[in-house]
Amino acid sequence: DVKVTQSSRYLVKRTGEKVFLECVQDMDHENMFWYRQDPGLGLRLIYFSYDVKMKEKGDIPEGYSVSREKKERFSLILESASTNQTSMYLCASSFADPGQGTYEQYFGPGTRLTVT
Amino acid sequence: SQQGEEDPQALSIQEGENATMNCSYKTSINNLQWYRQNSGRGLVHLILIRSNEREKHSGRLRVTLDTSKKSSSLLITASRAADTASYFCAPMDSNYQLIWGAGTKLIIKP
Repeated sequence: DVKVTQSSRYLVKRTGEKVFLECVQDMDHENMFWYRQDPGLGLRLIYFSYDVKMKEKGDIPEGYSVSREKKERFSLILESASTNQTSMYLCASSFADPGQGTYEQYFGPGTRLTVT
Repeated sequence: SQQGEEDPQALSIQEGENATMNCSYKTSINNLQWYRQNSGRGLVHLILIRSNEREKHSGRLRVTLDTSKKSSSLLITASRAADTASYFCAPMDSNYQLIWGAGTKLIIKP
């Protein structure tokens, strides 16, 4: 089974702190994604990556950055946490080649981040 | 990006009944996927239907797709308590990005 793990299930940080959220997948997927999920808004894409050291902005990248130094690991960084970044953060991965898969995404359990 | 929209926002039915959820979207798509999210297992992929398919089955799930109307439906037959969850449709656009709506919250009453 594909497994996507995230470093923390719950995290409480103070305004202005630098926050690191880690995600690791074990399926050799090329694609990795970071979403945030807020009530009534569904999932919104923050950043994604199609390959090591490659990143693309999603719909809401402001206030975030990412790092992908290894294929299996994708990190989300909140440079200076703010209260409006309080949310559930979901990491996902998928194959890139439709011949290998069907672009379905596999999700981690999520990190509920509270910024006070 | 444009969101998909699920309808209804919430649905409560008796165990054993069928549940139907609908989805509409605005852009052309490569495929459309349905996901389920509950507190126990997180967000899990259920089924994918390609843009050239009209209907697909997987166990108690039946998905239809009408690309002319830009809509899809998910039918869960013979519902069980374990089906209680939020269900999301996620059309995949031409850039291979999933477009997410706010989901349908399904409650199965015993």
